[in-house]
Amino acid sequence: SQTIHQWPATLVQPVGSPLSLECTVEGTSNPNLYWYRQAAGRGLQLLFYSVGIGQISSEVPQNLSASRPQDRQFILSSKKLLLSDSGFYLCAWIPGQGSTDTQYFGPGTRLTVL
Amino acid sequence: GENVEQHPSTLSVQEGDSAVIKCTYSDSASNYFPWYKQELGKGPQLIIDIRSNVGEKKDQRIAVTLNKTAKHFSLHITETQPEDSAVYFCAAGGNQFYFGTGTSLTVIP
Repeated sequence: SQTIHQWPATLVQPVGSPLSLECTVEGTSNPNLYWYRQAAGRGLQLLFYSVGIGQISSEVPQNLSASRPQDRQFILSSKKLLLSDSGFYLCAWIPGQGSTDTQYFGPGTRLTVL
Repeated sequence: GENVEQHPSTLSVQEGDSAVIKCTYSDSASNYFPWYKQELGKGPQLIIDIRSNVGEKKDQRIAVTLNKTAKHFSLHITETQPEDSAVYFCAAGGNQFYFGTGTSLTVIP
C-alpha cells in the first residue's frame, strides 16, 4: 500500500535561518507531488508541484523553493525564513500515469518562525 | 484559473441534525470534486468525491451533490455526531486542485 511521510512533524526556527522539509512517498512510482501551506485558520495554498524528477512548478513567488532529487522525494527549502513563513506545511501526491485524480495528503509539518 | 468558493466558514449543529456545506467553482473544465476532512493538527483526509458524469454520490451518512450547469456542489452530513467536528474542504479541478477556504463544523452534543 502507498504511504506518505513528512518530517519533521514540528519545527521552531528563528527568522533568517534556513529551512528544509522532506516528503517521501512509498508504494508507488512516478507520482505527482505537491507542497501546500496552510496558515492558521485558513485554507490550503498550493506552493509547488512536480510531475517528475527535477520538474518543479511554482504557484506563488516567495522565498521558498522546492526540489525533487528522486522520484518519490520532494523537498521544500528556504535560505532565510521570514515570520510570515509560519504555518502548517502539507505534502500531497497523486499516483503517476493519471491513474486517478485523488490527491492524498501527508501528516504535515508545523513550522513556527520566531 | 479555477476559483472555488466555500460557505459557510463556520457551522454549528446539534448532534443528530444535518449539516450542509456548499461550494461553487468557476472553471467549467473541472471534472473532479473531492471533499476532505481535517482534524486539528493533521493532514486532510479524503471523505468522498464525485466526478462530473455523476450528479449525486452517497456513502453512509455522507453525500455529495453536483450541479455542473450551475457550477456548484454540496456536502451533506446526516445524523451528525460529535466526531464529525472538524474543518471540511471542498476542491475542484483535475490533476491539479483548487481548494475552498474551509468550513469549521462543530457538532454540539
